[in-house]
Order: sequence, then C-alpha cells, then structure tokens
Amino acid sequence: NAGVTQTPKFQVLKTGQSMTLQCAQDMNHEYMSWYRQDPGMGLRLIHYSVGAGITDQGEVPNGYNVSRSTTEDFPLRLLSAAPSQTSVYFCASSPLRVRVNEQFFGPGTRLTVL
Amino acid sequence: AQSVSQHNHHVILSEAASLELGCNYSYGGTVNLFWYVQYPGQHLQLLLKYFSGDPLVKGIKGFEAEFIKSKFSFNLRKPSVQWSDTAEYFCAGAGGSQGNLIFGKGTKLSVKP
Repeated sequence: NAGVTQTPKFQVLKTGQSMTLQCAQDMNHEYMSWYRQDPGMGLRLIHYSVGAGITDQGEVPNGYNVSRSTTEDFPLRLLSAAPSQTSVYFCASSPLRVRVNEQFFGPGTRLTVL
Repeated sequence: AQSVSQHNHHVILSEAASLELGCNYSYGGTVNLFWYVQYPGQHLQLLLKYFSGDPLVKGIKGFEAEFIKSKFSFNLRKPSVQWSDTAEYFCAGAGGSQGNLIFGKGTKLSVKP
C-alpha cells in the first residue's frame, strides 16, 4: 500500500492563480480531510469528506473548494490564490465513518503564493 | 467550543532527561485523544491514542500518556529522551457528531546531545 499520497510536493503560485492539490489513498478509507499547517497555529481543518459525494467545511474553508467523486481521491482547489494561503497542506484519511479514528497523513504540499 | 491547548511552545532538554508535555482539552461528552509527532521535514505520525479504558496509554518509541478526566488533561511523557526525539508534538482531540480532529498548536522539542 502506498498509503496517502499528495502531489505536488512544492508549488509556487502568483496571486490570483488557481491550482489543484491532489490527494489519493489506497486504503479504502471513507473519511478524508485537508489541513493547513502554519507556524505556531498547529493544523487547521479546511474541508473534510465522510464518503464519495459528501463533503463539508472545516474551520478555515474560505478560498478552497473540494469534491469527492471516488473513495480514493480528494482534491483541494485554490480558486484564486492569495499570499495568506502560503502554507503546508496535509491530506489525511481515516478508516471509520461513524467515529474518526487514527488519521493517516500524506507527506504534505508546501505552497508559496507570491 | 471544543478546543485543545498545549502549554509549551518550545521545550529544550538534554539527552536522558525526562519529558512531560502538557495537553488540555475542552469537550462535552465522549472524546478521543491523540498524540502525533512530526519529525523535521516529515508528515505527522501517530504516537498513541486514547478512546476508553485504562487511562494510561502506551505508544511507540517509549512514549506514554495519561488521561485525567478530572483535569481535562492528556499529558505526554517519556522517562528518558534521545536526540532522535527532536520533533514537533501535537495533541489532538476528536469528538462531536462528525468526529473531526482538533489540533493543539504544537510543542517543539529540541534534545541536545
């Protein structure tokens, strides 16, 4: 199993550009989530999904969009990048739908918005 | 509101010193608690978790944590740290209807050889 994979590892954008961060898992987990990590702020939940076709907002959803067309994939879209979105983004998945169990994290995407 | 707080931002220890990192949570009802570790340049890995039962939980690499309900605490401990324990440690809680993880802000641990 590859676990949770994320692409790209690094990305530099200009203000106003859009892009999609990819996340995939091969563990057949129903729950998937996106976090952003900023110094001194810990990890904050952006969006999450409890299954294909079901998504919901987390703590900091503004400026981001998600979809879940398959169990495996959970892409995160930046609609119009802003410098405030410079961060490290982590995707995570978890096997339980009813109660969030241990979450398995991907390697992260370091995004810089100029 | 649900929250998780970590008291120490940066802890510096010498090798063989004992470690205790504080974590307090604010939840109503059942809560599941976790400690994650992030080594430099790497992703988060689970150290240990508590759902129910014995409040003293043992994890990987000699770490343990004690759930004290009366103090709303879930402190992480290790009797003797090593240089390889240098990392950032995150406490997290899950509860509520969706069970999303809420993370503390993290504690950086630096271990001097």
